[in-house]
Amino acid sequence: AQSVTQLGSHVSVSEGALVLLRCNYSSSVPPYLFWYVQYPNQGLQLLLKYTSAATLVKGINGFEAEFKKSETSFHLTKPSAHMSDAAEYFCAVSEGTGGSYIPTFGRGTSLIVHP
Amino acid sequence: SQTIHQWPATLVQPVGSPLSLECTVEGTSNPNLYWYRQAAGRGLQLLFYSVGIGQISSEVPQNLSASRPQDRQFILSSKKLLLSDSGFYLCAWSVSGVGHTDTQYFGPGTRLTVL
Repeated sequence: AQSVTQLGSHVSVSEGALVLLRCNYSSSVPPYLFWYVQYPNQGLQLLLKYTSAATLVKGINGFEAEFKKSETSFHLTKPSAHMSDAAEYFCAVSEGTGGSYIPTFGRGTSLIVHP
Repeated sequence: SQTIHQWPATLVQPVGSPLSLECTVEGTSNPNLYWYRQAAGRGLQLLFYSVGIGQISSEVPQNLSASRPQDRQFILSSKKLLLSDSGFYLCAWSVSGVGHTDTQYFGPGTRLTVL
């Protein structure tokens, strides 16, 4: 069974500050892990994914995430927040077998960026 | 490249009226297809998924139904809408199997308001 926990339904940062969005997962097999971003009234867009290669994954818009097996975490970071980063972020896990069909999504974290 | 279309983009319907939302995917064959719903301020709720033509799995009991009449076409329907059916409906596709990672790619969404 797989599950995802995103700590904090809302995260507020100042423009230029570090962004840290937390994601912890559980999986009975080596997982695939994903971060998606959703802007208002749009679909989800893939930011980055971990698929058992390098543990530090770089994505679009300057975001990156590090897979830490010992902590079962896949936190999303960005060194300097921009106003345009304000959006909803979803972490997801898939049980890495290529046949599970259905990733499990977290409940989402709303990132608020103050000027 | 692959693209996914949803229509209509927005829809306002009275309670008790029928519903038909359509999703089509281009540029890939035999995709897995998904319907999700987002209620206001909530996360993603998986409604249906399909791994092939005519194969539909329902995740949540409700007054909605789904059909897949063609390989890359997925339709969400209802005979009589309820107020609780209001929300943002997202279609997504993925490819499973050896060499794939179950990454989901989302359409732009349909905003449904039931009055």
